[in-house]
Amino acid sequence: GAVVSQHPSWVICKSGTSVKIECRSLDFQATTMFWYRQFPKQSLMLMATSNEGSKATYEQGVEKDKFLINHASLTLSTLTVTSAHPEDSSFYICSARGTSGRVEQYFGPGTRLTVT
Amino acid sequence: AQSVSQHNHHVILSEAASLELGCNYSYGGTVNLFWYVQYPGQHLQLLLKYFSGDPLVKGIKGFEAEFIKSKFSFNLRKPSVQWSDTAEYFCAVNSVDTGTASKLTFGTGTRLQVTL
Repeated sequence: GAVVSQHPSWVICKSGTSVKIECRSLDFQATTMFWYRQFPKQSLMLMATSNEGSKATYEQGVEKDKFLINHASLTLSTLTVTSAHPEDSSFYICSARGTSGRVEQYFGPGTRLTVT
Repeated sequence: AQSVSQHNHHVILSEAASLELGCNYSYGGTVNLFWYVQYPGQHLQLLLKYFSGDPLVKGIKGFEAEFIKSKFSFNLRKPSVQWSDTAEYFCAVNSVDTGTASKLTFGTGTRLQVTL
């Protein structure tokens, strides 16, 4: 149980275009989903927290207009990187927390974004 | 703000050797503590967690961790490692009393390489 998927697993896009990454909880309902960014050989940095049906809460230094997050249902959250630039190239990971009030987060496999 | 330190960045052990990975956090309040493991090419998986009670917690695959409040530490241990334990290990902390909706702060990770 507690499986989280991400799509796509990797994507290459040209500078200036937008890319959408999906995060789905497959076998549970997720009231809260988290989006992280991981640079090579570094830790996961939380970008934003999204709750179903409400606006995402962004961490300090994360541009909300550049990283659009939508959590339209209890099983789906999307991250759209708008007007991507090469410095946005990274590994993006989502996680989900269930509705039971438990604290644990379940992580997706990540999406490798390369902006050329 | 809370922070997490993992002092061992890369550890190389022979099979059957004992393992201890350090994790220290900086936060004076009540915390939940986690160890996650990321096997090559796979997503983050929860290894074990501490919420309250017995400070010695046991997780999957023979791992255990001890919470020492006075030292702000949550070190991960395994008496005898196997080649299949080769992975990246992340310590994470969630502060309970800041109302931060289960936000996790991750350490930088420790790469464990087990040789045959």
